[in-house]
Amino acid sequence: DGGITQSPKYLFRKEGQNVTLSCEQNLNHDAMYWYRQDPGQGLRLIYYSQIVNDFQKGDIAEGYSVSREKKESFPLTVTSAQKNPTAFYLCASSTAGTYNTGELFFGEGSRLTVL
Amino acid sequence: GNSVTQMEGPVTLSEEAFLTINCTYTATGYPSLFWYVQYPGEGLQLLLKATKADDKGSNKGFEATYRKETTSFHLEKGSVQVSDSAVYFCALSDPLSGGSYIPTFGRGTSLIVHP
Repeated sequence: DGGITQSPKYLFRKEGQNVTLSCEQNLNHDAMYWYRQDPGQGLRLIYYSQIVNDFQKGDIAEGYSVSREKKESFPLTVTSAQKNPTAFYLCASSTAGTYNTGELFFGEGSRLTVL
Repeated sequence: GNSVTQMEGPVTLSEEAFLTINCTYTATGYPSLFWYVQYPGEGLQLLLKATKADDKGSNKGFEATYRKETTSFHLEKGSVQVSDSAVYFCALSDPLSGGSYIPTFGRGTSLIVHP
């Protein structure tokens, strides 16, 4: 089955530690995205990538880093510089090109809790 | 810039009641419009979409019509079920150069349906 796989589903971190969230897709999509979801705040864009080896900051990139070395993979690192990292993180992907309508395909999410 | 405004929740209804969740948008271009649904602990799934004015998207008994004159895309369902309880997100995608879209999401509206 084609889709997006995020791991781990739940993650606990001590303050001062970096953690990396995995996102893998087998949909052959060019574009990938990371969103953060907090209660009552909807989805906020952290980073996005439209092509391998290229990515751009979203609205709340501070304290996060990403890489896009392969088309299928877009891992997100939550660094110790992120002041309030406890949240639900969602990875998504989409096609790119002239006839792309902008529909996103989402993973199941990763819930990060800082202890 | 682009923005999406949707009614605040929670919306609480009895089973078989009529549902409306309002969504209005501002966009600089000519966007595509979407409704996504998120069940507890899961990622978002596309519910329906519309790509041009007067298009009606529909799925699972839900409908929404792209109204350019009122910049709206209200979600409706004639008879809700307990299983419709979820958070609903209105979103738009505006094309960038190269055909890659960066979606903008509303804050989400929680729907609770009682038996």
